[in-house]
Amino acid sequence: KAGVTQTPRYLIKTRGQQVTLSCSPISGHRSVSWYQQTPGQGLQFLFEYFSETQRNKGNFPGRFSGRQFSNSRSEMNVSTLELGDSALYLCASSVAGVVRDQETQYFGPGTRLLVL
Amino acid sequence: AQSVTQLDSHVSVSEGTPVLLRCNYSSSYSPSLFWYVQHPNKGLQLLLKYTSAATLVKGINGFEAEFKKSETSFHLTKPSAHMSDAAEYFCVVSSLYSSASKIIFGSGTRLSIRP
Repeated sequence: KAGVTQTPRYLIKTRGQQVTLSCSPISGHRSVSWYQQTPGQGLQFLFEYFSETQRNKGNFPGRFSGRQFSNSRSEMNVSTLELGDSALYLCASSVAGVVRDQETQYFGPGTRLLVL
Repeated sequence: AQSVTQLDSHVSVSEGTPVLLRCNYSSSYSPSLFWYVQHPNKGLQLLLKYTSAATLVKGINGFEAEFKKSETSFHLTKPSAHMSDAAEYFCVVSSLYSSASKIIFGSGTRLSIRP
């Protein structure tokens, strides 16, 4: 069974631009969560989607948004990029909800975003 | 509110000796606790999880952790370190009932193994 895939793997943007990252979960998984990893702040939970609905949300500004499609694929969007948004963005999938059901998450390799 | 503290940013042990990675948590509600491992240039992998069942949890690769409510700790141990254990380890607390962030990662502990 194929693992979680994320595209693109690397991305360079400039301040003020917006970016969309994509995540394809493991087949049969309905929950997709997004995380931001930086050297300064560590790993932080962004949000979780389940059956096309945002179920849980971390403490990030509204510039960070996401959505999930009927095939469970998910996209994350960051608008008006700031230098501090440079990070590794990780996506994880699970069969059911990661927060409510404490399901095991399977992580993708991440998308490394550099904002100049 | 909930939080998690990994007490050591870096731990170095000799191959074949025990490993202890320390984690303390704070949660107003019954938490679920996890340990993840991240090898260089690889994604995160779940080692084990505690979800209010047995307090001693066994995970993959010989790792285990004990949930101690009185000490608010969830330390990760392994009897004998192997070179392949060198990686970054994250302790995670999660609670559906937290009004703030539902999932919180510790700052990580880098484990080095000496030959």
